Amino acid sequence: DTEVTQTPKHLVMGMTNKKSLKCEQHMGHRAMYWYKQKAKKPPELMFVYSYEKLSINESVPSRFSPECPNSSLLNLHLHALQPEDSALYLCASSLFRGGGTPYEQYFGPGTRLTVT
Amino acid sequence: TQLLEQSPQFLSIQEGENLTVYCNSSSVFSSLQWYRQEPGEGPVLLVTVVTGGEVKKLKRLTFQFGDARKDSSLHITAAQPGDTGLYLCAGGGKTSYDKVIFGPGTSLSVIP
Repeated sequence: DTEVTQTPKHLVMGMTNKKSLKCEQHMGHRAMYWYKQKAKKPPELMFVYSYEKLSINESVPSRFSPECPNSSLLNLHLHALQPEDSALYLCASSLFRGGGTPYEQYFGPGTRLTVT
Repeated sequence: TQLLEQSPQFLSIQEGENLTVYCNSSSVFSSLQWYRQEPGEGPVLLVTVVTGGEVKKLKRLTFQFGDARKDSSLHITAAQPGDTGLYLCAGGGKTSYDKVIFGPGTSLSVIP
């Protein structure tokens, strides 16, 4: 099973709302990722968690707050977003590997976020 | 800084035609992945190439990793409408702490 699930599929929120995106995987992967993707563009990395600890934050604004409650779950808390934050938000996971070995990321279907 | 370039950026072909998409870099990568993404969905992993000169086949898709591990190609034989999507190449880092570098993508449209 190489499935990563994300909820909700679609989300519309106002600029004063607080909402959360959820991601789950049961592949035993210990690295999980949040990406933001605009139409016809490649995914842009936002955050990386390795063994439930934040290992990479790509200078993402504080209105995005990630959380990794356990090895299977990844959340992205949203607050006071701007219209330009509207995008497809993708979660991915991969096996945690040591140096010199390839690893592959498995993506969820994404959450289409619209900020009004 | 490692960068990946892809060409062409856009491709529109008739069903049954063959095509090749290229992924190039000036840097050496330990591995390269190819993904296909349909509109509104997440990228789906197609293949990983690791060894320089490696060729992998997935039905009508043939993937090749350059000898110097700086470039890769994807060849589709007899394209079908179901092949339509955004094709992304990605360069893997050496550990899971490393960022995966994505190319800008090739948007393929196969017309019935």
